[in-house]
Amino acid sequence: GDSVTQMEGPVTLSEEAFLTINCTYTATGYPSLFWYVQYPGEGLQLLLKATKADDKGSNKGFEATYRKETTSFHLEKGSVQVSDSAVYFCALVVATGFQKLVFGTGTRLLVSP
Amino acid sequence: DVKVTQSSRYLVKRTGEKVFLECVQDMDHENMFWYRQDPGLGLRLIYFSYDVKMKEKGDIPEGYSVSREKKERFSLILESASTNQTSMYLCASSETGPAVSTDTQYFGPGTRLTVL
Repeated sequence: GDSVTQMEGPVTLSEEAFLTINCTYTATGYPSLFWYVQYPGEGLQLLLKATKADDKGSNKGFEATYRKETTSFHLEKGSVQVSDSAVYFCALVVATGFQKLVFGTGTRLLVSP
Repeated sequence: DVKVTQSSRYLVKRTGEKVFLECVQDMDHENMFWYRQDPGLGLRLIYFSYDVKMKEKGDIPEGYSVSREKKERFSLILESASTNQTSMYLCASSETGPAVSTDTQYFGPGTRLTVL
């Protein structure tokens, strides 16, 4: 079945460091890909998305490129801030039938001053 | 802004109790979802609804039921709570009909349920 694999955390960085959180997927069709973020004490919110191969999603300095050849959607940011500390979830939806999101297990990011 | 609210942030119940978790969205969204979130497992879909009085099972429906009598409200029911249902429960909604795979889901803040 469809699945998403994320790197295990926590990822611990100093402020202004470069961030990469790896995400790979397995899907039977042609999925749309998402990154959701969950700040402490809050629900999830959409960070960015990409709907077809080679698309790049971007928001708040974060970027991810839909790579069909490597079935990946890695999240990157050039300079992280303390306020980026959160749990990041990679997810996919396959465009057949209902729009059911399949989530990865989440990666906690901790950024220290 | 879309707002999804959940009736309680924290809830403590006893084994065997019937538990109701309520979710309300204020943007006239067609679709609503219930997930549970557990460490190391991510989010797993319990039930979803694409219209009033319509419901579909997700990946882990056992031990749960749902009700959607009005478009804006989607309730999750634990008929007889058990300790393995201790978890964070997240409600979500999205705007359009079932065929749109790129639609954003908007999440509530979650209810942390503890069953003793």
